[in-house]
Amino acid sequence: DIQMTQSPSTLSASVGDRVTITCRASQSISSWLAWYQQKPGKAPKLLIYKASSLESGVPSRFSGSGSGTEFTLTISSLQPDDFATYYCQQYNSYFTFGGGTKVEIK
Amino acid sequence: QLQLQESGPGLVKPSETLSLTCTVSGGSISSSSYYWGWIRQPPGKGLEWIGSIYYSGSTYYNPSLKSRVTISVDTSKNQFSLKLSSVTAADTAVYYCARRTVVTPRVFDYWGQGTLVTVSS
Repeated sequence: DIQMTQSPSTLSASVGDRVTITCRASQSISSWLAWYQQKPGKAPKLLIYKASSLESGVPSRFSGSGSGTEFTLTISSLQPDDFATYYCQQYNSYFTFGGGTKVEIK
Repeated sequence: QLQLQESGPGLVKPSETLSLTCTVSGGSISSSSYYWGWIRQPPGKGLEWIGSIYYSGSTYYNPSLKSRVTISVDTSKNQFSLKLSSVTAADTAVYYCARRTVVTPRVFDYWGQGTLVTVSS
């Protein structure tokens, strides 16, 4: 099984901040990594796939990078709508999600 | 616009079988371009993929749940279903159905709103 580890689990930030979330895979997954945003009571929303490809309609302040076992999601300038929980997900072998990173207001 | 809607009992007794259906509207479940899947999320916790099915009936399951899971498809009704047997309190979760593309991006791009299933006597 491929395990996905996200850090930090919680992140306090202010509007306008640059925010970076890290996701590590227990073995190489090439670039088969996606990022989702989830708000309370809602389904996850796809943001990024194949590590760095932006899903249609997602603001360009979101970006992803990495390959192999280490990946990052960056929000270049945090907006009020971005306070949410973010999950990474590998799809190299079946599907495994990270534990989530909650981005909260500082 | 594609929509997915989960339905089924919100309360299941321990040791019984959890049964949910996902109805797809605004698109055909028989498209060769998609897989259809189930993902769950225990209250306050992270996401866990349960399994997926192709319109042909081909399935693949999370190895940790495989012995208890059956996913089926009914193309005539544009629905797919989940059965999870021998449930315990640990199976209490919001259950989501979702679509995954066969080609890029190959991830879950459309999700249902989710339905809470509580396992309790």
